[in-house]
Amino acid sequence: NAGVTQTPKFRVLKTGQSMTLLCAQDMNHEYMYWYRQDPGMGLRLIHYSVGEGTTAKGEVPDGYNVSRLKKQNFLLGLESAAPSQTSVYFCASSTQGLADQETQYFGPGTRLLVL
Amino acid sequence: AQSVTQPDIHITVSEGASLELRCNYSYGATPYLFWYVQSPGQGLQLLLKYFSGDTLVQGIKGFEAEFKRSQSSFNLRKPSVHWSDAAEYFCAVGAPRGGYNKLIFGAGTRLAVHP
Repeated sequence: NAGVTQTPKFRVLKTGQSMTLLCAQDMNHEYMYWYRQDPGMGLRLIHYSVGEGTTAKGEVPDGYNVSRLKKQNFLLGLESAAPSQTSVYFCASSTQGLADQETQYFGPGTRLLVL
Repeated sequence: AQSVTQPDIHITVSEGASLELRCNYSYGATPYLFWYVQSPGQGLQLLLKYFSGDTLVQGIKGFEAEFKRSQSSFNLRKPSVHWSDAAEYFCAVGAPRGGYNKLIFGAGTRLAVHP
């Protein structure tokens, strides 16, 4: 049981390049999330998904797109990377949010540097 | 609007000393409260959570936290710190929204432990 895994662990991009970050979970969770972590700002929600085939915007969605074609995978795309997107990206998953005992489980993160 | 404040950016304690990390929140209803720990280069691990009931909650690694509604606080404590506790600690409040539990994070407190 690997939990939440993220690929790649580290990436360097040039401004304007595109890339996709992959998140996979093997806990059969309905909900998945993408966060970015910046110094002094905690984690901020980029996009989330409440089930296969659904996505929604979080706090800071601009410049990112997501897809949830399979329940276990949640992809985060950067179509045209900008230096402001240099950050550490975390994926998380949880059971259905209506349950009071929901807890989010986090992956190890992807460190992205945009030059 | 919901928010979480962690007043201390950095804290240094000696090994064996007691620890208290402060967390204050702003939320209109009864909050769901969480403490996560992030070791260097790692993802976030849940230490403990409060949903209802006993206001003193026990977590993993010997941590506990106390919910004080009158002070809008959820401070994390440990009676005797170990060197392995050096990490960054995040307080978060869960705000139910549209069927999922949106997490709002504080900016984090980085803990250093002196031998």
